[in-house]
Amino acid sequence: DTAVSQTPKYLVTQMGNDKSIKCEQNLGHDTMYWYKQDSKKFLKIMFSYNNKELIINETVPNRFSPKSPDKAHLNLHINSLELGDSAVYFCASSQDSGYNEQFFGPGTRLTVL
Amino acid sequence: GEDVEQSLFLSVREGDSSVINCTYTDSSSTYLYWYKQEPGAGLQLLTYIFSNMDMKQDQRLTVLLNKKDKHLSLRIADTQTGDSAIYFCAESTPDDTDKLIFGTGTRLQVFP
Repeated sequence: DTAVSQTPKYLVTQMGNDKSIKCEQNLGHDTMYWYKQDSKKFLKIMFSYNNKELIINETVPNRFSPKSPDKAHLNLHINSLELGDSAVYFCASSQDSGYNEQFFGPGTRLTVL
Repeated sequence: GEDVEQSLFLSVREGDSSVINCTYTDSSSTYLYWYKQEPGAGLQLLTYIFSNMDMKQDQRLTVLLNKKDKHLSLRIADTQTGDSAIYFCAESTPDDTDKLIFGTGTRLQVFP
């Protein structure tokens, strides 16, 4: 009964490869997010989708492309991976409400060699 | 700018109180939040405060908000070793995007 799940938990790959990270939430939430947490633990929003519609698109290289096939899923595809993409990527979801409690997945640790 | 600043480290003895501080920049934020990140896990919401409040208490947690100085603090009473984690403050943006701007995080270490 995991609320927000991500796969894989760890991803090790070579520079230049293309990879995807998947996220699913079973909370019935309308909004999903992708965050990047770097080695210093700084957490930055990358994207958010509300009911499959892109809402937030921060200054992220266009090698990163989110895809939301339905409101329970938000996948992140990364083309031509670079060393600087190494980080922990967190998916989160929230319901439209007065305050924005975001529920986070366990994270995907991406290591680019 | 959208910089939310926190001190990086805090070390306290078990049983003492911890105070984690945060300064934010957007005075129009409606809500301010405290999230906790345990090792190897995602963030979990601890508590939040509405911008028209100056204090909120929830069991061992007390949140103080000084809007004039754009200063937010989290006090943890009777700190336990299980409280060791990274604590992030966050502010909401005043638009309709539900965007949160997270602080730089404070690593709290509790020693016996």
